[in-house]
Amino acid sequence: GAGVSQTPSNKVTEKGKYVELRCDPISGHTALYWYRQSLGQGPEFLIYFQGTGAADDSGLPNDRFFAVRPEGSVSTLKIQRTERGDSAVYLCASSFSGRRQETQYFGPGTRLLVL
Amino acid sequence: AQKVTQAQTEISVVEKEDVTLDCVYETRDTTYYLFWYKQPPSGELVFLIRRNSFDEQNEISGRYSWNFQKSTSSFNFTITASQVVDSAVYFCALSELNTDKLIFGTGTRLQVFP
Repeated sequence: GAGVSQTPSNKVTEKGKYVELRCDPISGHTALYWYRQSLGQGPEFLIYFQGTGAADDSGLPNDRFFAVRPEGSVSTLKIQRTERGDSAVYLCASSFSGRRQETQYFGPGTRLLVL
Repeated sequence: AQKVTQAQTEISVVEKEDVTLDCVYETRDTTYYLFWYKQPPSGELVFLIRRNSFDEQNEISGRYSWNFQKSTSSFNFTITASQVVDSAVYFCALSELNTDKLIFGTGTRLQVFP
């Protein structure tokens, strides 16, 4: 499979805990995106990486959310002190070069439930 | 401000019927891109089409067709002779020239019954 992969597929945690969500983009894609999708809504942008750097993090809701991509491939979205409102599907996407308006290809998502 | 509206929350049809999913967008840019994605029950967003603002030609791909009209800021999607496998949530999205993110509508859930 050459698509975007995300792990875990499901994550259940308790309020206040720390979680990490992993995204493995399509091989050779330099741009990587994180989105969050709440029930019944469309995906909402969180952060965009071009290579190793976060080129746009304007969608991160607060400082409890952080993402890294240290080697320009795999990315990890980190959520500290989780709250029930963080429950959602977290989607990762990648595109070939990150040129604007390039097609983004999505992974299956990680469904996060905060109890 | 950029915005995408999909007014149809849910549509139900019987197999072989044609169905049109509406998408209306708002943007101040003259250069932008529009997309449609399909989200089956498995949850993965599947890319269907990408169209730039300078190309108003309608597009057909098998049973799928898209009607882009700048005059009404609409980018509607029609499925001809629908099939049960078309059942999914369909999202329309907008990307402006100076941004890296996609702005999604709230989606239209299509149910095709046998």
